[in-house]
Amino acid sequence: EAGVAQSPRYKIIEKRQSVAFWCNPISGHATLYWYQQILGQGPKLLIQFQNNGVVDDSQLPKDRFSAERLKGVDSTLKIQPAKLEDSAVYLCASSAGTGGSEQYFGPGTRLTVT
Amino acid sequence: KQEVTQIPAALSVPEGENLVLNCSFTDSAIYNLQWFRQDPGKGLTSLLLIQSSQREQTSGRLNASLDKSSGRSTLYIAASQPGDSATYLCAVSRGSTLGRLYFGRGTQLTVWP
Repeated sequence: EAGVAQSPRYKIIEKRQSVAFWCNPISGHATLYWYQQILGQGPKLLIQFQNNGVVDDSQLPKDRFSAERLKGVDSTLKIQPAKLEDSAVYLCASSAGTGGSEQYFGPGTRLTVT
Repeated sequence: KQEVTQIPAALSVPEGENLVLNCSFTDSAIYNLQWFRQDPGKGLTSLLLIQSSQREQTSGRLNASLDKSSGRSTLYIAASQPGDSATYLCAVSRGSTLGRLYFGRGTQLTVWP
């Protein structure tokens, strides 16, 4: 069974530029999550999708971050414009059932904002 | 607000030792608890998941226990090996619909030969 796929693996941009990350969850997984992990900290949830609907985006900085999950499969996370404090690893995870099921993580995208 | 604390922050031991990693959480109303492993530059690998109604789970040399009433979990690693070197993260979830995981900062484990 293929795991969660993410791309790109690394990205370096200047502040005020925009960037997008892509995630393909495990086949058949209904729930998809985006987490942000700042160096030295545990991951923090940005947004949770159930199929293609948003379940929880309470910690998503909506003035600059957006996410979508078209057709309930792949998802993209966008930052526009980026700030220095957005430098982090962005992790995508998926689970088979609703929230509370075991979550499986992708390798992450390491973003550096200069 | 749920807060998760992991102690110690770092641990360095010789190969063969039995280890205990600790995790505590402030709100006992959890749905489940997961232990993850994170290797440098990699994503998270799920090790064990304990439902709130369970007391422990075992997988190979790993055993995780959960005491929901006291807000504590421990991860026991038997006969540690250099390949166990990684950061171990503990996370709790709130409910069956909201899947948000609250993570600790992790314990960085080094096992030397």
